[in-house]
Amino acid sequence: NAGVTQTPKFQVLKTGQSMTLQCAQDMNHEYMSWYRQDPGMGLRLIHYSVGAGITDQGEVPNGYNVSRSTTEDFPLRLLSAAPSQTSVYFCASSYGATDNYGYTFGSGTRLTVV
Amino acid sequence: AQSVAQPEDQVNVAEGNPLTVKCTYSVSGNPYLFWYVQYPNRGLQFLLKYITGDNLVKGSYGFEAEFNKSQTSFHLKKPSALVSDSALYFCAVRPPRATNKLIFGTGTLLAVQP
Repeated sequence: NAGVTQTPKFQVLKTGQSMTLQCAQDMNHEYMSWYRQDPGMGLRLIHYSVGAGITDQGEVPNGYNVSRSTTEDFPLRLLSAAPSQTSVYFCASSYGATDNYGYTFGSGTRLTVV
Repeated sequence: AQSVAQPEDQVNVAEGNPLTVKCTYSVSGNPYLFWYVQYPNRGLQFLLKYITGDNLVKGSYGFEAEFNKSQTSFHLKKPSALVSDSALYFCAVRPPRATNKLIFGTGTLLAVQP
């Protein structure tokens, strides 16, 4: 099925460890983004990309890196995990900001940092 | 600062009754407005959007939303609620000229009692 695929679904990290959250879409969407969802705070934009080779920071980029080497993939890297990064992470994609179907979201990665 | 407010953490409604989930925004100019729904352990799903034109927009699953520019509101409505509508609802705004950024509200949990 076409859509946005995120892996892993669950992850527990120790403080200071690094990891990469994977995101892939097969809809040929140019725009991809990463959000984190925290209770009472809605979704906050971490990083986004408007196409292969182009990335930019969102609202809460500190502690995260991204790259966009292909149209399909947009991994999110945590360089040195901290308990404050415990959250649910969503990847989203769209043809553009005015896509008639809005953004397509992945099913999320629940990350716990201990 | 640009923001989106969903003043109710939870809305309770009986099945068959009309429902309203409120959203107001603080963004200058003419923003694009969106509603998304999130079911447990799932990503967000697009419901509807307002770009321009008729103030009443219709979306998926029988939902509609009314744009009110003077009150800077974009309330989500449905004439007759279903138990299956129970979920977390997010309002989102794309500010003018912010091509690739969505600002989300904190979400409203809709609980429909049978």
